[in-house]
Amino acid sequence: AQSVSQHNHHVILSEAASLELGCNYSYGGTVNLFWYVQYPGQHLQLLLKYFSGDPLVKGIKGFEAEFIKSKFSFNLRKPSVQWSDTAEYFCAVNNHDYKLSFGAGTTVTVRA
Amino acid sequence: DSGVTQTPKHLITATGQRVTLRCSPRSGDLSVYWYQQSLDQGLQFLIQYYNGEERAKGNILERFSAQQFPDLHSELNLSSLELGDSALYFCASSHRGANTGELFFGEGSRLTVL
Repeated sequence: AQSVSQHNHHVILSEAASLELGCNYSYGGTVNLFWYVQYPGQHLQLLLKYFSGDPLVKGIKGFEAEFIKSKFSFNLRKPSVQWSDTAEYFCAVNNHDYKLSFGAGTTVTVRA
Repeated sequence: DSGVTQTPKHLITATGQRVTLRCSPRSGDLSVYWYQQSLDQGLQFLIQYYNGEERAKGNILERFSAQQFPDLHSELNLSSLELGDSALYFCASSHRGANTGELFFGEGSRLTVL
């Protein structure tokens, strides 16, 4: 069974700091990769996605992620975080078997 | 607003009871997914329906069942509830039958079992 690992459980940053969240998956076949975000008290929403093509994908709110196939990784980055980026971030992998597998999530707290 | 509607938003019940959670997918979406989010298990896929038919099953307990109706809304039935069933239950839908993994989530139903 495939698994998705997120390296950090909780990250605390100050505003304007750079953010990088790690994500690794175990499935060796063709996959679609996602980062979802859950703001406090809200539903999950898509931040960005990778299906194919340029391994560096840009999402909403200044986030980007890089797919490195050889490392089975899909790390999320933002050069300068804002207080409003405080949320829980989930990496997810779909290998076309009708199931989207999520990582455990990383809680990001941005201090003003 | 994702367009996915879930009711009720909050539910408190006792052990041994049965509850039904309801989900209306986005207009035009034929697939409905159910996920359970708890502190210790994270986000766990339960089950998926496509146009009324069960398509995939995940870590869904035998005490739980779901169905998707002709109008495409779905219900998740949880019975013989235990304390450990306390969680946030999310419904999600996807564009038609597309199996890309891009899901649109509802706001969830928070179940508390006392």
